[in-house]
Amino acid sequence: NAGVTQTPKFQVLKTGQSMTLQCAQDMNHNSMYWYRQDPGMGLRLIYYSASEGTTDKGEVPNGYNVSRLNKREFSLRLESAAPSQTSVYFCASRRKSDRLNQPQHFGDGTRLSIL
Amino acid sequence: SQQGEEDPQALSIQEGENATMNCSYKTSINNLQWYRQNSGRGLVHLILIRSNEREKHSGRLRVTLDTSKKSSSLLITASRAADTASYFCATDASGKLTFGQGTILTVHP
Repeated sequence: NAGVTQTPKFQVLKTGQSMTLQCAQDMNHNSMYWYRQDPGMGLRLIYYSASEGTTDKGEVPNGYNVSRLNKREFSLRLESAAPSQTSVYFCASRRKSDRLNQPQHFGDGTRLSIL
Repeated sequence: SQQGEEDPQALSIQEGENATMNCSYKTSINNLQWYRQNSGRGLVHLILIRSNEREKHSGRLRVTLDTSKKSSSLLITASRAADTASYFCATDASGKLTFGQGTILTVHP
């Protein structure tokens, strides 16, 4: 049982290049999330998908787009990468519950450097 | 903005000692969660405490929640070198988590 899988693990881009970060979960979770983590900081929410077919902006959505391809997969796209987007990106998923009290499950991250 | 603020930012202790980390937040919550992050890895969920709970235990972990003070604490008892990691609190207001900046815990053998 792999959980949440992110690809690639590492990537170096030049300013202005585009890239898509992939995330897939095999836990049949409804909700999926993209975060970024910068040095000395907690995670900040970029976009999320509460259920298949829906996406919403989080705290720091500028410069990013997302696609909920199906229930398993949620991708994050940088259309024109900027040095300020150098960060570690984490994908997470969560089982939907009427009780709302469910933890999130995280991938191991994609370390992205933009030169 | 970061709703959860954690204290201390860094904590260094000897193996066998207890470690206490604190978290404060600003708005109403459904629950508060604690996560652990080992260097170079993703976050791992440790424990969740609901807004109507005051204390919860899981193995060597003890979490308290005071909604009147909007604060929580995580106690790790009898710490081990393997507990060395960053610990984050996260508040859940509507299914979305807001994370604190974390506490870096170092446990010396």
